[in-house]
Amino acid sequence: GIQVEQSPPDLILQEGANSTLRCNFSDSVNNLQWFHQNPWGQLINLFYIPSGTKQNGRLSATTVATERYSLLYISSSQTTDSGVYFCAVEIGDMRFGAGTRLTVKP
Amino acid sequence: DAGVIQSPRHEVTEMGQEVTLRCKPISGHDYLFWYRQTMMRGLELLIYFNNNVPIDDSGMPEDRFSAKMPNASFSTLKIQPSEPRDSAVYFCASSPKALRGGSPYQPQHFGDGTRLSIL
Repeated sequence: GIQVEQSPPDLILQEGANSTLRCNFSDSVNNLQWFHQNPWGQLINLFYIPSGTKQNGRLSATTVATERYSLLYISSSQTTDSGVYFCAVEIGDMRFGAGTRLTVKP
Repeated sequence: DAGVIQSPRHEVTEMGQEVTLRCKPISGHDYLFWYRQTMMRGLELLIYFNNNVPIDDSGMPEDRFSAKMPNASFSTLKIQPSEPRDSAVYFCASSPKALRGGSPYQPQHFGDGTRLSIL
């Protein structure tokens, strides 16, 4: 089956720093999404991005479907950005990566 | 507007008991999804419904699991009999009608989850 790999698995930042999270997938997919799970366990849909680039405030995402990867950029990180970031690919059903755990320190 | 509402928030029960998890999707949403999250397997899609009809249940782990959606505002996920390995956080999510050719998976709105512990 399709492999969805996220890197890095863990990331610790100082508040105000920028970061890039990566999602690689092993086969063609219909769509790709990014989610944030906050420290209380709540899941929030960040981006639906099968291709191209989207921006929402300090977050932006780029998917290069032909090269089978997506990037999530977080600029000027804040402590509220802490949590786990998942990418998920749609191939009929949804397959999630293992996530990147981000800790932003004040 | 109320989001996706799941109940109970926490459930602790002994193995062999029947467990029923409940979900109320956002009003007007056409799709409803059940997910399971464990440390070992991460997030997994179990089943999803479109207009109350199950579309893909390939993620349901085994016959002990069943899901129903008797109407547009209510869904249940049942485990009978429950086993310790079923311990997990179960999420319900809903999404609106997909555009022509669009994905049913976006944008998904998640409930807060049910944390299930089987002793």
